[in-house]
Amino acid sequence: SAVISQKPSRDICQRGTSLTIQCQVDSQVTMMFWYRQQPGQSLTLIATANQGSEATYESGFVIDKFPISRPNLTFSTLTVSNMSPEDSSIYLCSVEPTASTDTQYFGPGTRLTVL
Amino acid sequence: GESVGLHLPTLSVQEGDNSIINCAYSNSASDYFIWYKQESGKGPQFIIDIRSNMDKRQGQRVTVLLNKTVKHLSLQIAATQPGDSAVYFCAENMGNAGGTSYGKLTFGQGTILTVHP
Repeated sequence: SAVISQKPSRDICQRGTSLTIQCQVDSQVTMMFWYRQQPGQSLTLIATANQGSEATYESGFVIDKFPISRPNLTFSTLTVSNMSPEDSSIYLCSVEPTASTDTQYFGPGTRLTVL
Repeated sequence: GESVGLHLPTLSVQEGDNSIINCAYSNSASDYFIWYKQESGKGPQFIIDIRSNMDKRQGQRVTVLLNKTVKHLSLQIAATQPGDSAVYFCAENMGNAGGTSYGKLTFGQGTILTVHP
């Protein structure tokens, strides 16, 4: 498995502002993903972060709200834009170290509260 | 800390008992399944996985059973310990059958396991 870190671990933000979350992996990985976990809920995939190209978004998520970067094989960022209290969630990145296995490992998450 | 228990089914067991956590998955085309454990304030931790060409797989103190006929997955934990208390999620992956969603994991709702000493 890979060692995954996220920054920040938590934040409290004002509505209308934006927050960028970083995900760093200790080794090169083929696939990186971003998930949202709303309070008391399960995980929902936001998008697949593609290295060198635009992210692939799931239904209900758009690039203007959740812009994603992936400049290399070990790093990705997710920005939550123009935040509202409904964006209060845990945001998690995951990685699939080896394309042939489909196994995903998760970072510790970023707990976001929007006031 | 924030509770994750407001909307999830729960299972309470005594220390030393065996636990069985169940999951109904949604897509008959799914060919890969994973169980995750999530402790409070942490990200999901990989426990065990199984591919659709198998119906049982064993790990250390854990066993996953897959019944493709009824699209059912279960996680059995032997000799449950207080450190096993967490939220458990199943996840399914349609692999190449997912088309552009290759690699996408779809998560179940989760079950809160509480182990009493």
